[in-house]
Amino acid sequence: AQSVTQPDIHITVSEGASLELRCNYSYGATPYLFWYVQSPGQGLQLLLKYFSGDTLVQGIKGFEAEFKRSQSSFNLRKPSVHWSDAAEYFCAVASNSGYALNFGKGTSLLVTP
Amino acid sequence: DGGITQSPKYLFRKEGQNVTLSCEQNLNHDAMYWYRQDPGQGLRLIYYSQIVNDFQKGDIAEGYSVSREKKESFPLTVTSAQKNPTAFYLCASSVRGGQQETQYFGPGTRLLVL
Repeated sequence: AQSVTQPDIHITVSEGASLELRCNYSYGATPYLFWYVQSPGQGLQLLLKYFSGDTLVQGIKGFEAEFKRSQSSFNLRKPSVHWSDAAEYFCAVASNSGYALNFGKGTSLLVTP
Repeated sequence: DGGITQSPKYLFRKEGQNVTLSCEQNLNHDAMYWYRQDPGQGLRLIYYSQIVNDFQKGDIAEGYSVSREKKESFPLTVTSAQKNPTAFYLCASSVRGGQQETQYFGPGTRLLVL
């Protein structure tokens, strides 16, 4: 079955520093991958998605992610973090059934001054 | 403004009571979904619907029921059979069902047991 692992439960970065959130997937074929962000008590907002083509995907709010098939990874990056980026980040892969997303358990980002 | 609305924002359930969570979308999307979110667990699929009058169980459907009488609406009932209902419930929709479809989420309903 398709699954996603986010190895880091919590990450703390200083404002202005670079960020990389890790995501590893388990999937036999070409995966359809997503990154979502969730602010406390809110719904999920799509940051970016990968279906095919260029392995470096640009998203909203200055985020990007790189699909690496050889490493089964889809890591999220941002060159310079802002305090407003503090939130929970979820990686997800579309299931074989085509009707659900399989989510990782999330990474909580804390941004310090 | 197009979007997904969920109500109420907070809901309290007494023992043995059924409660219904509302989800409405004006995006003209065919597919709708209900997820449950527990701390440290990510999101898990409860039910999904591809078209009106059709819906399928997800991974954790026991103790829940749904209906899809209108394209815009996909209410979720948490029945008394759900023994651990305290969670954050998220509704989502997509243009249609399928792996390449992006799911858009509502703001969520937090259900608490009294």
